[in-house]
Amino acid sequence: DTEVTQTPKHLVMGMTNKKSLKCEQHMGHRAMYWYKQKAKKPPELMFVYSYEKLSINESVPSRFSPECPNSSLLNLHLHALQPEDSALYLCASSARLAPGYNEQFFGPGTRLTVL
Amino acid sequence: TQLLEQSPQFLSIQEGENLTVYCNSSSVFSSLQWYRQEPGEGPVLLVTVVTGGEVKKLKRLTFQFGDARKDSSLHITAAQPGDTGLYLCAGVEGGSNYKLTFGKGTLLTVNP
Repeated sequence: DTEVTQTPKHLVMGMTNKKSLKCEQHMGHRAMYWYKQKAKKPPELMFVYSYEKLSINESVPSRFSPECPNSSLLNLHLHALQPEDSALYLCASSARLAPGYNEQFFGPGTRLTVL
Repeated sequence: TQLLEQSPQFLSIQEGENLTVYCNSSSVFSSLQWYRQEPGEGPVLLVTVVTGGEVKKLKRLTFQFGDARKDSSLHITAAQPGDTGLYLCAGVEGGSNYKLTFGKGTLLTVNP
């Protein structure tokens, strides 16, 4: 099973709302990632978790708050977003953070629209 | 400066034609992946190459990693409309890094 699942598929929220994106994998992977992708652009790394601990925060604004409750789950909590935050949010996982090798499997993404 | 230069950026061809997409860098990559992404979906991993000179085949797709591990190519034979999508190369630079660096992508359209 090489599947990463993400919910919801689509999300529309106002700038004062609080919402969460969810990601799950059952491949036994110990590294999980959040990416943001704008149309026709490559994914941009936001956060990396390794063994449920935050390893990398790519200077992401605090209105995005990641959480890794266990080795299979990854959440992204959203609060007070701006319209420019509208994008496809991708979750990915890899076996572990291994120097020189990082084969990542992506979920289908959550299409977020901020009004 | 883009670490991974992908070309062409756009490609529109007829069904049955062959095509090659290139991914080039001045840096050495320890490993490199190719992904295909359809609109509104996440990237799907096609292949990972790790050895210089390595060639991998996936049905009509042939992937090559350069001898010096600075470049890679994806060749599609007899393209079909189902091959339409955004093709992304992504790699891990050097031997101690683990961050995945993406090329800008090649948007391929195969017309029936």
